[in-house]
Amino acid sequence: GDSVTQMEGPVTLSEEAFLTINCTYTATGYPSLFWYVQYPGEGLQLLLKATKADDKGSNKGFEATYRKETTSFHLEKGSVQVSDSAVYFCALSDRGAQKLVFGQGTRLTINP
Amino acid sequence: DGGITQSPKYLFRKEGQNVTLSCEQNLNHDAMYWYRQDPGQGLRLIYYSQIVNDFQKGDIAEGYSVSREKKESFPLTVTSAQKNPTAFYLCATGQSGSNQPQHFGDGTRLSIL
Repeated sequence: GDSVTQMEGPVTLSEEAFLTINCTYTATGYPSLFWYVQYPGEGLQLLLKATKADDKGSNKGFEATYRKETTSFHLEKGSVQVSDSAVYFCALSDRGAQKLVFGQGTRLTINP
Repeated sequence: DGGITQSPKYLFRKEGQNVTLSCEQNLNHDAMYWYRQDPGQGLRLIYYSQIVNDFQKGDIAEGYSVSREKKESFPLTVTSAQKNPTAFYLCATGQSGSNQPQHFGDGTRLSIL
């Protein structure tokens, strides 16, 4: 079945560092891909999405490009802030049942 | 404001007791979902419903039950058959179409007394 594999955390960076969180997927067909962010004690918020190959999703300085050839959707940000500290989830859509398949999440901590 | 309301935020259950978690939405979304999140882990799908009066089991439905009598509401009951219910429970909604994201409530944290 479909699956998502994320870079294991936790990840700790200094403020203004460059961020990459790796995400690869296995799917039949052509899923849509999503990044969600979860702040402590809260639900998930959609960060960005891409619906077809070579699409780039972007929001709040974060970017991810849908790479069909490498089945990847890596999350990047050029200069992180303390407020970016959260858990990040990569997910894909199961088109048939409109379900989401999530990676295990990556906890990111940014130190001032 | 449009959104998803989960209540209560914190819930305590005694051994052998059933408890019901509420999820209400005013986004007019057709689909609703329940997920379980354990510390340091991803989300696992418990049940989902794509239309009123219909729902399907997810990956970990044992020990849980749901109903979908109204479009706006999708309550989750954690029964006494669920032997390890302590977790963070998240409700989500979605529109039709596979490229549409799901929208999440703020969650209910369930603990065993």
